[in-house]
Amino acid sequence: DQQVKQNSPSLSVQEGRISILNCDYTNSMFDYFLWYKKYPAEGPTFLISISSIKDKNEDGRFTVFLNKSAKHLSLHIVPSQPGDSAVYFCAAWGNTGRRALTFGSGTRLQVQP
Amino acid sequence: EAGVVQSPRYKIIEKKQPVAFWCNPISGHNTLYWYLQNLGQGPELLIRYENEEAVDDSQLPKDRFSAERLKGVDSTLKIQPAELGDSAVYLCASSPGGETQYFGPGTRLLVL
Repeated sequence: DQQVKQNSPSLSVQEGRISILNCDYTNSMFDYFLWYKKYPAEGPTFLISISSIKDKNEDGRFTVFLNKSAKHLSLHIVPSQPGDSAVYFCAAWGNTGRRALTFGSGTRLQVQP
Repeated sequence: EAGVVQSPRYKIIEKKQPVAFWCNPISGHNTLYWYLQNLGQGPELLIRYENEEAVDDSQLPKDRFSAERLKGVDSTLKIQPAELGDSAVYLCASSPGGETQYFGPGTRLLVL
């Protein structure tokens, strides 16, 4: 079963507007949630994370929101730039058990100039 | 600071042939991971090392896959014999501990 789901395979936004990428999870034991960005032919690059005890974390243009009751998190990019065009992966990590990242299937973001 | 290094970047082999991938983690990172990424999917864990010990290899298909991390630094992942379904990107990641992992560029394997 997929413990981390990204239901939108792709998203297209205009430069300067907000990009909102969504992620749902099923395992309430996850301690951290992370977003990775991936360009073609490169490995995933860490972008931003949030602890399960928080509901918001902000880093420059990137903000991650966590709604534990809904088991949902989202990444907001404001303003979006053409260089943000990439595949974004949501990942979850537990401090017990596997201690490895569980990834969603990714959302391809295209920022139109 | 140098990132995670992987080689080769690309590999094309015929089925039933052996293949090996190499990873050099970020200096000082005791935890090393190998992930498999199929097209259109997120990475999936194959094996996790803490120093030289494989502490989670439950997802590693041990009939054909093997891995080692001698001296707790570099690691190799081997497939013997390779099958068509092994075509994928093999990612290595390292971590100083905790949730944040740093990935290498991956090895893209094509089995013909």
